[in-house]
Amino acid sequence: EPEVTQTPSHQVTQMGQEVILRCVPISNHLYFYWYRQILGQKVEFLVSFYNNEISEKSEIFDDQFSVERPDGSNFTLKIRSTKLEDSAMYFCASSDRAGRGYGYTFGSGTRLTVV
Amino acid sequence: GENVGLHLPTLSVQEGDNSIINCAYSNSASDYFIWYKQESGKGPQFIIDIRSNMDKRQGQRVTVLLNKTVKHLSLQIAATQPGDSAVYFCAEKGSGSARQLTFGSGTQLTVLP
Repeated sequence: EPEVTQTPSHQVTQMGQEVILRCVPISNHLYFYWYRQILGQKVEFLVSFYNNEISEKSEIFDDQFSVERPDGSNFTLKIRSTKLEDSAMYFCASSDRAGRGYGYTFGSGTRLTVV
Repeated sequence: GENVGLHLPTLSVQEGDNSIINCAYSNSASDYFIWYKQESGKGPQFIIDIRSNMDKRQGQRVTVLLNKTVKHLSLQIAATQPGDSAVYFCAEKGSGSARQLTFGSGTQLTVLP
């Protein structure tokens, strides 16, 4: 069964440092997403990406965040200068054109800890 | 603002009993709803979905009910098993071309032996 792969599974970084979270979406999917989940809270939408550009973003996705699809397989989330409150699980997702059901798939997440 | 929320943060059931997890939503424009299961250290896993033009949908051991009048969604799990222990989230997608999902707060389901 195809899956969304995220690396690393856990990242510890010092406040103010830049981090890049990596994702390999499902190969025939067209839409890519980042969500985050602060410990004990609900999953929150950050950004969606289609046709090599951002299609939607939330209020959380400010100038500190950027996304990129540097090649045909990877999708990355960069946080330029991390803050303590950026500590969370970050989930990558990808979807097919319909974006429903099993066609919208989440990865296992990267746990980001900012110290 | 619009939000999706859950009535109960925790639910404990005996193995073999049926479980009912509830969700309230407030965006009347949402046209698609999903239930996800999240096990510890994993991402959300799709369980079942329903479109707004339906009021019930059944899967294997799971049923989702949608009551648009009161903006209420529920997930019923039949013959709950230990492997069903997890956090369950409802999520909604707005109508139109927007593809982001809005998640509720989650219910921790614990299955007792």
